[in-house]
Amino acid sequence: SQQGEEDPQALSIQEGENATMNCSYKTSINNLQWYRQNSGRGLVHLILIRSNEREKHSGRLRVTLDTSKKSSSLLITASRAADTASYFCATARIYGNNRLAFGKGNQVVVIP
Amino acid sequence: DARVTQTPRHKVTEMGQEVTMRCQPILGHNTVFWYRQTMMQGLELLAYFRNRAPLDDSGMPKDRFSAEMPDATLATLKIQPSEPRDSAVYFCASGLVPVPEGDPNQPQHFGDGTRLSIL
Repeated sequence: SQQGEEDPQALSIQEGENATMNCSYKTSINNLQWYRQNSGRGLVHLILIRSNEREKHSGRLRVTLDTSKKSSSLLITASRAADTASYFCATARIYGNNRLAFGKGNQVVVIP
Repeated sequence: DARVTQTPRHKVTEMGQEVTMRCQPILGHNTVFWYRQTMMQGLELLAYFRNRAPLDDSGMPKDRFSAEMPDATLATLKIQPSEPRDSAVYFCASGLVPVPEGDPNQPQHFGDGTRLSIL
């Protein structure tokens, strides 16, 4: 079944550095979404990239999508302590009727 | 900001007891999802409603779990009888799928979850 899989699993960086996370999936998609989850809270939608897009920006976030490799990356530039969270990619299938398949998540720790 | 509200936030009970979790989706949203999150399995989809009708509950153990939407402002997830392996964080999410046409794959908005512990 379709499943986002993030890599690496855990990342620890200094404040101000960039953080990059990768996600791979197995089947054709309509779009790919990234979510953030702070400890003890629900997931928060960050950015959505459609299958016909290659790159998208939102503030300090940059997402790329390579459908030929079935992979995506999320880059957080100039990281802040408040970026400490788990980051999940989720894929929406064509005709998936709004269901998402989530990966296991990347734990990012930004050290002040 | 509109938010998905889940109650209770925490629940501890003994095995065999009935557990009811409630969710108030964002007003105007027409899709509701129930997920279960554990360290081992990650985020699993349990049930999915669209316009209050169940579209997919294949991820839910049918013998003990049930999900309903009595009205557009309330979704419930019940476990009866509960077992220790049901211990997890249960999330509700809602979304707006444009009808009759439009891309159905829209962002989902999550509540803060119900942390369930079955002793």
